[in-house]
Amino acid sequence: DAGVIQSPRHEVTEMGQEVTLRCKPISGHDYLFWYRQTMMRGLELLIYFNNNVPIDDSGMPEDRFSAKMPNASFSTLKIQPSEPRDSAVYFCASSPSPGGGEYEQYFGPGTRLTVT
Amino acid sequence: QQQVKQSPQSLIVQKGGISIINCAYENTAFDYFPWYQQFPGKGPALLIAIRPDVSEKKEGRFTISFNKSAKQFSLHIMDSQPGDSATYFCAPTDHDPSWGKLQFGAGTQVVVTP
Repeated sequence: DAGVIQSPRHEVTEMGQEVTLRCKPISGHDYLFWYRQTMMRGLELLIYFNNNVPIDDSGMPEDRFSAKMPNASFSTLKIQPSEPRDSAVYFCASSPSPGGGEYEQYFGPGTRLTVT
Repeated sequence: QQQVKQSPQSLIVQKGGISIINCAYENTAFDYFPWYQQFPGKGPALLIAIRPDVSEKKEGRFTISFNKSAKQFSLHIMDSQPGDSATYFCAPTDHDPSWGKLQFGAGTQVVVTP
């Protein structure tokens, strides 16, 4: 398996523009997570889905952020309008349903977003 | 409320030395205690994890020690190698009701010098 795929890997945009980040989870995984990583705030969970349904979006910073998962193999995180403080690395992760043993989230390579 | 406190923030160790990273938590509902490893430009990846029914788990040069009464767990890297230079995160979670929500610590940047 190719692992979690994210695109684009790098995005530079101007303040006020719309930004869409994309994620393809590992096939067969029931859970999908969006994280944001910054030096100041570390790794923050923004939202996660189970079987394409949003379960917890309490980490979404404000209404400018939205996430969708139209099917089991694709999710988007959209920021509109973007602001310089949104500059961060955004990670998508996926995981299977928990069993009785180990539980692991598989992270993608991340999208480095810069808003000027 | 900060649920997870990780220390130290950074660590420099010589090749062959021992690296020790600590994680203190508040939520007694946590029942799974993993450590993730992140290399520059990459996403975090699970390194090793422990459940609360054991006090220690060893995988190669990596060991987790768990102290339930103190609400702490630690990562020990024995015979540290330059390839271990990375940022390490503790990320405990509970299965009910917050299954899947890893509570990431702030991270510890480990540098292993040759």
